[in-house]
Amino acid sequence: SQQGEEDPQALSIQEGENATMNCSYKTSINNLQWYRQNSGRGLVHLILIRSNEREKHSGRLRVTLDTSKKSSSLLITASRAADTASYFCATDAPGYALNFGKGTSLLVTP
Amino acid sequence: GAVVSQHPSWVICKSGTSVKIECRSLDFQATTMFWYRQFPKQSLMLMATSNEGSKATYEQGVEKDKFLINHASLTLSTLTVTSAHPEDSSFYICSGQSSDSYEQFFGPGTRLTVL
Repeated sequence: SQQGEEDPQALSIQEGENATMNCSYKTSINNLQWYRQNSGRGLVHLILIRSNEREKHSGRLRVTLDTSKKSSSLLITASRAADTASYFCATDAPGYALNFGKGTSLLVTP
Repeated sequence: GAVVSQHPSWVICKSGTSVKIECRSLDFQATTMFWYRQFPKQSLMLMATSNEGSKATYEQGVEKDKFLINHASLTLSTLTVTSAHPEDSSFYICSGQSSDSYEQFFGPGTRLTVL
C-alpha cells in the first residue's frame, strides 16, 4: 500500500531559486529514498537516508529526516531548468520492495 | 550504478492480445525483481515481487493469472499481460536487486497502450 505522501503536489519556481519538497509516511522505516522521474521516463535514484541519519547532502541536494514526525524534506538549491521533473520519496516495504509517494511535480522556468 | 534494461520501450496492441515485457539486469545478478505500474500523473504501485526460481508474490488486487511473471534466470524477468484491455494501459517499470544489497536498480520503463 502506498505510504509516502509528498507535498506540494506541484511546484513552479524560477531558475536559481531553491525548491523544497516534503514527504510524510505512516509506519517506521529503515531507509527513505528520493527519486526523480522525467516525464515518461524511468526513475533516477537521488539519495538515500537511513533512519538513524538526520541530514544528508549530495551536490545541490539536501535531504532531512525527522523520524519523530515521520517526515522528510528534499531541498534542491540553485535550481536549473534541467531539474524539471517529478520527485518521489520511497520508503522500504516488506520484502525489500518500495512504497512510493504520490510525487511532487517540479517546474523550473528560465 | 547497475544497469537494468526493459524491452520493448513502448508497445501498442489491440484489446484481447497478450504482451510480454522483458526486464534484464545487464551487469549484476538480480536475485529479486520487482514489477511496478504507473498510471498517468500517479505514483508507482508495486504489482509483484519475484525471486529467481520461485513463484512471484503478487500485491493485493493484482491478478496473477492476468499478469504472468517469470523469473527464470538471475538476469531476466518477464511480465506477460494476458488478454490486455484498455484499462491495462500504463507505464510498467521493473527493478532488480542483488542478494548482497537492498538497493533497487530501475529499468527505463515500458509504456503499454491497449486500443
